[in-house]
Amino acid sequence: IAGITQAPTSQILAAGRRMTLRCTQDMRHNAMYWYRQDLGLGLRLIHYSNTAGTTGKGEVPDGYSVSRANTDDFPLTLASAVPSQTSVYFCASSDSASGSYEQYFGPGTRLTVT
Amino acid sequence: GQNIDQPTEMTATEGAIVQINCTYQTSGFNGLFWYQQHAGEAPTFLSYNVLDGLEEKGRFSSFLSRSKGYSYLLLKELQMKDSASYLCAVRGGDYKLSFGAGTTVTVRA
Repeated sequence: IAGITQAPTSQILAAGRRMTLRCTQDMRHNAMYWYRQDLGLGLRLIHYSNTAGTTGKGEVPDGYSVSRANTDDFPLTLASAVPSQTSVYFCASSDSASGSYEQYFGPGTRLTVT
Repeated sequence: GQNIDQPTEMTATEGAIVQINCTYQTSGFNGLFWYQQHAGEAPTFLSYNVLDGLEEKGRFSSFLSRSKGYSYLLLKELQMKDSASYLCAVRGGDYKLSFGAGTTVTVRA
């Protein structure tokens, strides 16, 4: 089934622990994104990748890192989780090469840091 | 920086029309998107405007005025399933999307 998958669906994590959120797309989109969504703040861009092998910082990158080793996968790592990173995390992709720029979103990961 | 404003909540009756306004001030402009997001789900694409004017797609229409930094999403013949959050997003000069906080629309019978 074409689309974006994220794992895990939800997670409760102790502060200070390391965590990697996984994101995989099978649409061969060149660009991928990570957002966090918090009540009253809307979606905020954490990191993005315009093509495999490149990444860039978004609006709120501190405490997060990403890698883009291939077209399909774009994992997000929290090196040492803090309670302020409690949020819903969405991965998205777009096929900017086609001129569309519409972003397709994964189902999200609900993360609670205690 | 980017500044995108939309109302927090709106309520309307089934079968009615609702207009959700969005105003923006951004560094550069390369298009405006509207997304729908049902509670607990991912956002899904509704519309895209890059030129001034009205884009109609079934019961949903979106309007853009670049000179006024203004857009609206019009939902006609409201149905209960239209109860959701509607997100206005602007693609700025860096081609990245900036989102408003979203407007929660509640449709009542």
